[in-house]
This record gives sequence, structure tokens and C-alpha cells, in this order.
Amino acid sequence: NAGVTQTPKFQVLKTGQSMTLQCAQDMNHNSMYWYRQDPGMGLRLIYYSASEGTTDKGEVPNGYNVSRLNKREFSLRLESAAPSQTSVYFCASSEWDFPSSYEQYFGPGTRLTVT
Amino acid sequence: AQSVTQLGSHVSVSEGALVLLRCNYSSSVPPYLFWYVQYPNQGLQLLLKYTTGATLVKGINGFEAEFKKSETSFHLTKPSAHMSDAAEYFCAVSEGNFGNEKLTFGTGTRLTIIP
Repeated sequence: NAGVTQTPKFQVLKTGQSMTLQCAQDMNHNSMYWYRQDPGMGLRLIYYSASEGTTDKGEVPNGYNVSRLNKREFSLRLESAAPSQTSVYFCASSEWDFPSSYEQYFGPGTRLTVT
Repeated sequence: AQSVTQLGSHVSVSEGALVLLRCNYSSSVPPYLFWYVQYPNQGLQLLLKYTTGATLVKGINGFEAEFKKSETSFHLTKPSAHMSDAAEYFCAVSEGNFGNEKLTFGTGTRLTIIP
């Protein structure tokens, strides 16, 4: 099992360009998440999807859109990139498994620089 | 709303010394608590979690944490630090509701091990 995979690993964009970050999981999890990690700020939730066909905003959704393509895949789109979106982006997945779970599994991250 | 406070953004300990990383939380419902570790240029990996039952939780790599409801704390400890423990550590809390496994993360503590 690959777990959670993310592409690309690195990306440099110019201000105003668009791109989509891809995420896939092979653990048959219902819930998927997108976070951004910035120095001194921990991980902040951008969007999440509790199940296929549903998405909800997290703490910092502005400037982003998401698509839950199917149960496996959850993509994050930047329509018009800004320097403030320079960050490391992590995708994660989890499953309700009372009472012992709620553990989120993380991908390796995408390091994005917007110039 | 839930929140997490990690005291000390940087902690240094000598090899073989006790490791203590502090985490306090606030939650309106009984919390589910997690510690994750992040090695350089990698994603997050679960160290340990508390959901229900025994309040002293043992995790991987010799780490453990104790849930203290009266102190709203979930501090991470390891009796003897090893060089390989150098990493960033994140405490996280979930309200643990079905379909709402969102995590709120602390800002992280970078652990340095002094030879």
C-alpha cells in the first residue's frame, strides 16, 4: 500500500498562475483533508471532505478550491496564485473507526513557491 | 471551539536526558488527543493517541503521554533522548464526532538533541 500520495513534490509558480495539487489514498478512507504548513503556525486546515461528493471549508479556504473526484482522490486548486500561498501543502485521510481511530495519515507534502 | 497550545517552540536536551514536550488543550467535549512527529522534509507520522480508556498512552520510539483532564494537558515524554529523536513534534486535538474527525494542531515544538 502506498498510503497517501501527492503530486508534484515541488512547484514554482508566478503570481497569477494557476495549478492543481493532486492527492490520492489507497486505504479506502472516507475523509480527506488539505492543510498548509507555515513556519511557526503549525498546520492549518484549508478544506476537508467527509465523504465522496461533499466538501467543506476549513480555517483558511480563501484563494483555494477543491474537488473530491472519487473516494480515492482529493485535489486542491489555486486559481490565481499569490505570494502569500507560498507554503508546504499536506494532504491527509482518515476513517471513522470507533473507538480506536481518528488517526489521520499524511502524504509527503508539496512545497510550493509563488514568486 | 477547540485549541491547542504547545509551550516552547524550541526545546534542546542532551542525549540520554529526559524529553518533555508540553501540550495543553481546550475542548468543549471530551477530546481525542494526538502527538505527531515530522522529520525534515517529510510528512507527519503518528507517535501516539488518546481516545478513551487508560490515560497513560505509549507510542512508538519509546515515547509516552498522559492525559490529565484536570490540567487539560497531554504532555509527551521519553526517558532517554536519542539523536534520532531530533524532529518537530505537533500536538493535536479532535472533538471526535462521527463525520467530524477534523484535527486542530498546535504550532509545533522543534526538538534538538545535543551530543
